Amino acid sequence: GNSVTQMEGPVTLSEEAFLTINCTYTATGYPSLFWYVQYPGEGLQLLLKATKADDKGSNKGFEATYRKETTSFHLEKGSVQVSDSAVYFCALSEGNYGQNFVFGPGTRLSVLP
Amino acid sequence: GAGVSQSPSNKVTEKGKDVELRCDPISGHTALYWYRQSLGQGLEFLIYFQGNSAPDKSGLPSDRFSAERTGGSVSTLTIQRTQQEDSAVYLCASSARIAGIDNEQFFGPGTRLTVL
Repeated sequence: GNSVTQMEGPVTLSEEAFLTINCTYTATGYPSLFWYVQYPGEGLQLLLKATKADDKGSNKGFEATYRKETTSFHLEKGSVQVSDSAVYFCALSEGNYGQNFVFGPGTRLSVLP
Repeated sequence: GAGVSQSPSNKVTEKGKDVELRCDPISGHTALYWYRQSLGQGLEFLIYFQGNSAPDKSGLPSDRFSAERTGGSVSTLTIQRTQQEDSAVYLCASSARIAGIDNEQFFGPGTRLTVL
């Protein structure tokens, strides 16, 4: 079945550091890929998405590129802020039905001032 | 508001009692999902509703768990005879179906359930 693997957390960075959170996936076809973010005490929010190979999703300074050849969708940000501290979930969706959404285990990011 | 809402935000119950958790999806979203998020864990799919179709219950962990969706809108997740291992945050999400495809999911803030 489909699956998503993320780098183990927690990740602790200083403000203005460069962020990479690795995500790789296994799917039988051509999934759409997503990054969701969960701020403390809140529900998950869609951060960005990409629906086909070589697409780049971007939002709030975060970027991720759909790499079919390496089955990856790594999340990057050039300069993190304290307000970026949250849990980040990589996810995929394949086919027409939402119950085929598969989430990774999440990576907790802490940014120190 | 226009987002997904859930109630209660927190629920503390005693082992063996039944609990009901409520989800109000975004108006017009035909798909509704329930997930469970245990401490430090990812999301565990529980159940999926799409319009008037029979729900996909494949993620429900035991027959103590059930869910219904009335009128294609509000959903209630019921846990009977709660156990301590049921303690978790229960998340609800909804999505629109466009051109036959479920779009990205919008999540509620969750209900934190604690079973003593």
